[in-house]
Amino acid sequence: EPEVTQTPSHQVTQMGQEVILRCVPISNHLYFYWYRQILGQKVEFLVSFYNNEISEKSEIFDDQFSVERPDGSNFTLKIRSTKLEDSAMYFCASRENNEQFFGPGTRLTVL
Amino acid sequence: RKEVEQDPGPFNVPEGATVAFNCTYSNSASQSFFWYRQDCRKEPKLLMSVYSSGNEDGRFTAQLNRASQYISLLIRDSKLSDSATYLCVVPLYGGSQGNLIFGKGTKLSVKP
Repeated sequence: EPEVTQTPSHQVTQMGQEVILRCVPISNHLYFYWYRQILGQKVEFLVSFYNNEISEKSEIFDDQFSVERPDGSNFTLKIRSTKLEDSAMYFCASRENNEQFFGPGTRLTVL
Repeated sequence: RKEVEQDPGPFNVPEGATVAFNCTYSNSASQSFFWYRQDCRKEPKLLMSVYSSGNEDGRFTAQLNRASQYISLLIRDSKLSDSATYLCVVPLYGGSQGNLIFGKGTKLSVKP
């Protein structure tokens, strides 16, 4: 069964450093998403992406964040200068019809 | 602000019990609803989609009450493997597409 994959599974970084989180959505899906979940809190929407551009973003997704689809398979989330409060699980999702399927997540720890 | 509210639990039930969770949503324009389950430190996995009055899949039944703006999830004959957090999820813009708003989840613990 096709699934969304994400790398790395765990990323540790120093405050102020740039990180890139990678996702490979399910191959025939056209809509892609990033969500985050701070430990013990609910899953929060960050950004949606369709037809090679951002279709929607939340107030969390400020100028420090960017997304890219550099080739036909990868979908990346970049955080330019990480802050302590960026520590969270970051989930990528892709959508077929009305249903979104999530990857296993990247645990980002900012020290 | 569009919100999804759930009873956080935890619900501690014995194997074989029937348990029900409720969820209320604020966006009256919502047309579709989802229940996801999330195991500890794992990704949300889609359990059930609800587009009309309800849906049933084996031991799981979801019911929708549009007038009261709540959705319920019923689990019959609960198994140890049902232990997880159950997330009520509603699309942001009320339609069946687009960005999802998650509830905080209801934690279920099924004991032998």
